[in-house]
Amino acid sequence: DTEVTQTPKHLVMGMTNKKSLKCEQHMGHRAMYWYKQKAKKPPELMFVYSYEKLSINESVPSRFSPECPNSSLLNLHLHALQPEDSALYLCASSSEGNQPQHFGDGTRLSIL
Amino acid sequence: TQLLEQSPQFLSIQEGENLTVYCNSSSVFSSLQWYRQEPGEGPVLLVTVVTGGEVKKLKRLTFQFGDARKDSSLHITAAQPGDTGLYLCAGGRGGSNYKLTFGKGTLLTVNP
Repeated sequence: DTEVTQTPKHLVMGMTNKKSLKCEQHMGHRAMYWYKQKAKKPPELMFVYSYEKLSINESVPSRFSPECPNSSLLNLHLHALQPEDSALYLCASSSEGNQPQHFGDGTRLSIL
Repeated sequence: TQLLEQSPQFLSIQEGENLTVYCNSSSVFSSLQWYRQEPGEGPVLLVTVVTGGEVKKLKRLTFQFGDARKDSSLHITAAQPGDTGLYLCAGGRGGSNYKLTFGKGTLLTVNP
């Protein structure tokens, strides 16, 4: 079982919907990440939070909005997504920014 | 831009065979992680190597970091169907650099 928990596991939404993805870790890690992964491809970095502050935004469209309410939680708010945004969204955490990252099982997102 | 060239991209073998996956770069990494990802799950960290020339073993899996810390290999002995999955190498720069450079992945299928 992964120590990074993501909910929901699956999400189907229309292009006008608003939804949120959630990620939780209780390993005391201070860096948390959002990745997007297409089938049989490596994960692509979207955002990095370090000590609850956004430190990296990889030029992600504003229809994706990250939030880090506390050191254990990471959210990704979704609004007005496009069909090409359908993918597996992975959350990861590491003890510090340059330490090995541990991934959750992801949220499989489908945009209708 | 740092690149990690991972090969082969696809590998289909019979149970009991040996195989090697390679990750090569022209850049030096402070660490190299190997992950395995099964369908419907997130990447699972297998090993981290940090010292040039380092060799680590995990049951039938042997990981090596090149002397110059620019390349790495994963060797599997007597592959089993349970080894099937997407293998990803990822290099870290260390320090305050939070980004991992991922290889494109090796999709391994071990047939019974």
